Amino acid sequence: QQQVKQSPQSLIVQKGGISIINCAYENTAFDYFPWYQQFPGKGPALLIAIRPDVSEKKEGRFTISFNKSAKQFSLHIMDSQPGDSATYFCAVHYGGSQGNLIFGKGTKLSVKP
Amino acid sequence: GAVVSQHPSWVICKSGTSVKIECRSLDFQATTMFWYRQFPKQSLMLMATSNEGSKATYEQGVEKDKFLINHASLTLSTLTVTSAHPEDSSFYICSALPVGSYEQYFGPGTRLTVT
Repeated sequence: QQQVKQSPQSLIVQKGGISIINCAYENTAFDYFPWYQQFPGKGPALLIAIRPDVSEKKEGRFTISFNKSAKQFSLHIMDSQPGDSATYFCAVHYGGSQGNLIFGKGTKLSVKP
Repeated sequence: GAVVSQHPSWVICKSGTSVKIECRSLDFQATTMFWYRQFPKQSLMLMATSNEGSKATYEQGVEKDKFLINHASLTLSTLTVTSAHPEDSSFYICSALPVGSYEQYFGPGTRLTVT
């Protein structure tokens, strides 16, 4: 059973546009929701993260929107740039301070110049 | 800060041999490190959780005798792929968890090719 569902699988956006990636989860015990960015051949890098007591968090061009009742969270990339072209993974955290991450299947974002 | 390194970055080995991959947290201590496996165009799959000074916890379906994990210090964990076979070819990524943090910091990955 897939514990976190990520969509879309791929996304093409024009430069300057808004990229939106969505994730949905079932288990209300998840307590931390990060987004990772991964370039080909590299390890993932933490982009932005949110805890369930906050509905939105913004860092530069990146915003997480969190809807606890709907058990959904999304990543918004404003003013998308070609350098943002990468694969994005949402993840959910469980198990306390030494807990684990479960990753979504990823979204390949292509920003066209 | 929060830099994690892996060595080697890529390795080619022959079937039946063993390969060791190192994961180091360079500027912080990590009581917990994680090992992931990623096949092309797929997501990261957790293989095992490594705690300093204790035995690793393996995810269901991961052979602990094949993937040996040692977390000998607060800054170093190693993954040894024993008797490697072509199906073990993959991208192996480690992450380290600073004490008291939820944020895992990932290494750059190791590309393993078994011929």
